[in-house]
Amino acid sequence: AQSVTQLGSHVSVSEGALVLLRCNYSSSVPPYLFWYVQYPNQGLQLLLKYTTGATLVKGINGFEAEFKKSETSFHLTKPSAHMSDAAEYFCAVTPYNQGGKLIFGQGTELSVKP
Amino acid sequence: KAGVTQTPRYLIKTRGQQVTLSCSPISGHRSVSWYQQTPGQGLQFLFEYFSETQRNKGNFPGRFSGRQFSNSRSEMNVSTLELGDSALYLCASSSNSGTGNGYTFGSGTRLTVV
Repeated sequence: AQSVTQLGSHVSVSEGALVLLRCNYSSSVPPYLFWYVQYPNQGLQLLLKYTTGATLVKGINGFEAEFKKSETSFHLTKPSAHMSDAAEYFCAVTPYNQGGKLIFGQGTELSVKP
Repeated sequence: KAGVTQTPRYLIKTRGQQVTLSCSPISGHRSVSWYQQTPGQGLQFLFEYFSETQRNKGNFPGRFSGRQFSNSRSEMNVSTLELGDSALYLCASSSNSGTGNGYTFGSGTRLTVV
């Protein structure tokens, strides 16, 4: 069964520092890949997605992610953290043959220190 | 453009009761998925409906059921509630199923079973 692993349940960075949230998936066939963000007491907001084409994907709020097939990874980065980035981040995949189903990682809570 | 609307936002039920949650997708979206979010299990896929047909189902007991109407609105029902059913239930909609379009989530219904 396909799975998604997010390394680190909690990441803390200083304001202005690089944000790096790690995501690895298990699949022999490249799936569709997503990053979502969740603020307290809210639903999930799509940050970015990879389907086909360019492996470096740019999303909202200055985030980007790179799909690396050889490493089965889809890490999320942002050059300079802002206080408003503090939230929980989820990596997710949609298997090719199970459209409509998202498999989520366990989530990474990002804290930003002033 | 209105987002995904879930009602009610909060719900308190007693063990053994049943509950129905509602989800109105973005206008024009035909795919609706449901997820359960708990601190212990994270985000888990319940089921997906596309054009009134269930296309995918997660590993949940038969007490969890759903349906989709001709206007794409969806409901999920949980019968014989258990304490462990306390969770945030999220609904997501997409314009298509399985194409990697990404899903737009509602704010969720927080169900507490006492």
